[in-house]
Amino acid sequence: AQSVTQLDSQVPVFEEAPVELRCNYSSSVSVYLFWYVQYPNQGLQLLLKYLSGSTLVKGINGFEAEFNKSQTSFHLRKPSVHISDTAEYFCAVTRGGYQKVTFGTGTKLQVIP
Amino acid sequence: DGGITQSPKYLFRKEGQNVTLSCEQNLNHDAMYWYRQDPGQGLRLIYYSQIVNDFQKGDIAEGYSVSREKKESFPLTVTSAQKNPTAFYLCASSQRGDLDTQYFGPGTRLTVL
Repeated sequence: AQSVTQLDSQVPVFEEAPVELRCNYSSSVSVYLFWYVQYPNQGLQLLLKYLSGSTLVKGINGFEAEFNKSQTSFHLRKPSVHISDTAEYFCAVTRGGYQKVTFGTGTKLQVIP
Repeated sequence: DGGITQSPKYLFRKEGQNVTLSCEQNLNHDAMYWYRQDPGQGLRLIYYSQIVNDFQKGDIAEGYSVSREKKESFPLTVTSAQKNPTAFYLCASSQRGDLDTQYFGPGTRLTVL
């Protein structure tokens, strides 16, 4: 079985400050990892994904995430946030091959002007 | 433009009535999914289909039914047996070879009165 834990349900941060949203996963096999963003009353949009290769993955809107196998983490970072980054962010994991995708409970990022 | 459409955006029903949520995709994806989203609980998988005329139960299938008669369509019926149907419902699709990236529709917010 696989699982995802997002440690923070809400993260307030001032505009132009850096932010890190934490994600830890559990799986007995190799997995694919994703970060999605959801704006209010909308569907989810892919930010970035990791399969293999470089552990630092760059995504859209200036976000990046680092895969750490020893710590089973996939934390999302942005060096300088903007008001428009206010949204809910979901970490997800799957074994691939149309296997089930498990989502975390989400982290609400609130950017303060 | 390719994408996933869900209709309607908002839906109201009286308790005890069945209701069907529409999901259509023109991405030519083989797999489609239905998720339920409740505050603080992330996304929970209801049903998924990897190919036409085949589908599997997810984690919370009780009180729901689906069909997959066409590749582009995957309607979800919320039956009167679903004890707490008020939620935000998200449809998604994915294609083998794209690292199981899920593409989401805009969602349908169902309120049962």
